[in-house]
Amino acid sequence: QKEVEQDPGPLSVPEGAIVSLNCTYSNSAFQYFMWYRQYSRKGPELLMYTYSSGNKEDGRFTAQVDKSSKYISLFIRDSQPSDSATYLCAMNSGGSNYKLTFGKGTLLTVNP
Amino acid sequence: DAGITQSPRHKVTETGTPVTLRCHQTENHRYMYWYRQDPGHGLRLIHYSYGVKDTDKGEVSDGYSVSRSKTEDFLLTLESATSSQTSVYFCAISILANEQFFGPGTRLTVL
Repeated sequence: QKEVEQDPGPLSVPEGAIVSLNCTYSNSAFQYFMWYRQYSRKGPELLMYTYSSGNKEDGRFTAQVDKSSKYISLFIRDSQPSDSATYLCAMNSGGSNYKLTFGKGTLLTVNP
Repeated sequence: DAGITQSPRHKVTETGTPVTLRCHQTENHRYMYWYRQDPGHGLRLIHYSYGVKDTDKGEVSDGYSVSRSKTEDFLLTLESATSSQTSVYFCAISILANEQFFGPGTRLTVL
């Protein structure tokens, strides 16, 4: 079983739709959870950063962490064509552990 | 891009030649990382540094070495480039180990 599983998509939605992106993981030691957005031929950009379980909202973006189910989600409300990108989840256990474990990314296209 | 630059941005080289990629930061962050990104594999950690002259291996370190003589610079060297090292290389920096910020990347092609 891979440490982090992420559906690669591609996911195509109409403008204005609510998008749900998800990752599952197997390592119960993970405490820090991140979502990165990566536009084509660019570096990953940190979008959301959460610690432990719960929700975090930033504008149109909401990150959810359910540690009991080992499941994290990113919701995008009122999606825009500019949201078209690959979304990567990442996580680690914190402390002196420097390694981020990444999902392989979900390619999202928002159609005008 | 969080004050991170990478050079060169694009490079084509031949098998067997040494290649050095540079990551430069203006943030004075302690931690620096080198990743490679390949289709089907995602982002994989090559090496990381937790201070000047303090480095350690990541999950795909074979064929790569690093050096960090100044806080702001982290160099990645491919000792003898092979076609399997054709990839996009990203540098990242962080204050704490988990919240990492990435540079724009270097596209390397080894012929």
